[in-house]
Amino acid sequence: EAGVAQSPRYKIIEKRQSVAFWCNPISGHATLYWYQQILGQGPKLLIQFQNNGVVDDSQLPKDRFSAERLKGVDSTLKIQPAKLEDSAVYLCASSPRPGTDTQYFGPGTRLTVL
Amino acid sequence: KQEVTQIPAALSVPEGENLVLNCSFTDSAIYNLQWFRQDPGKGLTSLLLIQSSQREQTSGRLNASLDKSSGRSTLYIAASQPGDSATYLCVPGPSRFGAGTRLTVKP
Repeated sequence: EAGVAQSPRYKIIEKRQSVAFWCNPISGHATLYWYQQILGQGPKLLIQFQNNGVVDDSQLPKDRFSAERLKGVDSTLKIQPAKLEDSAVYLCASSPRPGTDTQYFGPGTRLTVL
Repeated sequence: KQEVTQIPAALSVPEGENLVLNCSFTDSAIYNLQWFRQDPGKGLTSLLLIQSSQREQTSGRLNASLDKSSGRSTLYIAASQPGDSATYLCVPGPSRFGAGTRLTVKP
C-alpha cells in the first residue's frame, strides 16, 4: 500500500513570494490533515478535511494561507505572501475516518523563507 | 483550547533501562490518544492508539496508558535500545500535539 505522498520535499523562497505544497493521501482515506512543524516544536494542525469539506481550520492564518482538497482526494496548501516565520516543515497526514483511526504521515516539505 | 505538556523535554539513558514518558492534557473530551515517534528529518510514525474507552495499549516493548479523568497518559518503554532514540510525541485527539520528549539511548 502506497503511503502519503508530498511534493516538493524542499523549497526555498524569499519573503513575500508565494508557494504551494501538494499532498496525495493514502487511497480511500476520507480525512486529510495539514500540519506546520516549526523546529523544536510539535506539529500544529492547520486544517483538517473530511472528503472535500473543511472540518477544522481554526489555526489556519487565513490572511495568507489557503488550502483546498479537490474531489476529496489530493490537496494543495498555499502561502501567499510568505513571511520569515513561515519557515517550517509542512506535514500532510491522512486517516480512513476522523477521530478513531491512526493518522499516517507523509515525509513533509521543508520550507525556508529568506 | 487543548494544551498538551510532555515531560521530560529530553531524556538520556543507558541501553537496557526501562523508562516512562509523561503526557498531560487539559481537555478530557478526547476521542482517542496517539503516541508517535519522529526521527530527525523524517515524518511521524504511529506507535500506539488508545481509544477513549480504553485504558491502555501494548505493542512489543511499548505500553501506553490513558487516564482521561486526570488528563494524563504515559508511554512505557521496556529494555530500551539505541534504535529507540527519537522524539516521542503525544496527541490527544483531535490532532493537538505536544512538543515531544527527545529520547537518547546510549549503547
